[in-house]
Amino acid sequence: NAGVTQTPKFQVLKTGQSMTLQCAQDMNHEYMSWYRQDPGMGLRLIHYSVGAGITDQGEVPNGYNVSRSTTEDFPLRLLSAAPSQTSVYFCASSWDRGLTDTQYFGPGTRLTVL
Amino acid sequence: KQEVTQIPAALSVPEGENLVLNCSFTDSAIYNLQWFRQDPGKGLTSLLLIQSSQREQTSGRLNASLDKSSGRSTLYIAASQPGDSATYLCAVSDSNYQLIWGAGTKLIIKP
Repeated sequence: NAGVTQTPKFQVLKTGQSMTLQCAQDMNHEYMSWYRQDPGMGLRLIHYSVGAGITDQGEVPNGYNVSRSTTEDFPLRLLSAAPSQTSVYFCASSWDRGLTDTQYFGPGTRLTVL
Repeated sequence: KQEVTQIPAALSVPEGENLVLNCSFTDSAIYNLQWFRQDPGKGLTSLLLIQSSQREQTSGRLNASLDKSSGRSTLYIAASQPGDSATYLCAVSDSNYQLIWGAGTKLIIKP
């Protein structure tokens, strides 16, 4: 089992560019989510999905899009990058939104927007 | 709105000491509380999950307690080792089934 994988590990963008952060899991988890982590702050939920074809917004969704066409993949799209989106992004998955089972995290993508 | 606080933000102790990390939350209506460990440049690893009906959970040298009524949890680490150096994060699952996170405590164990 590879668990949760994320690509790329590092990325530098210019303001206004778009890109997609990839996330995949091989544990057949229904629930997947994207967080961002900024210095001195807790992780904040961007978007989440409770199954293929179903997505919803978290606490900080503006500037990001997601889709869930398969159980395994949950890509995060930055539509027009802004310096405020400089952060470390984590993808996570779990069986049941973490109510009885913990969430499993990928290694993260460190994004810098110039 | 649920808020989670971890104090102190950083802690440095000599190897071998027993230590306690603190986590507090403002709304007692939680489903569970979880403790995670984060190593530099890596993802988060789950350490312990305490359901709202439970008082504590143990795993090896780690013991986590939960007092919902006072909005507090502690993570006790026995006989600390340099390998325990990491950032420790707590998170509560709120009434919307979302995890609300603290900012973490950076722990350094000095050999």
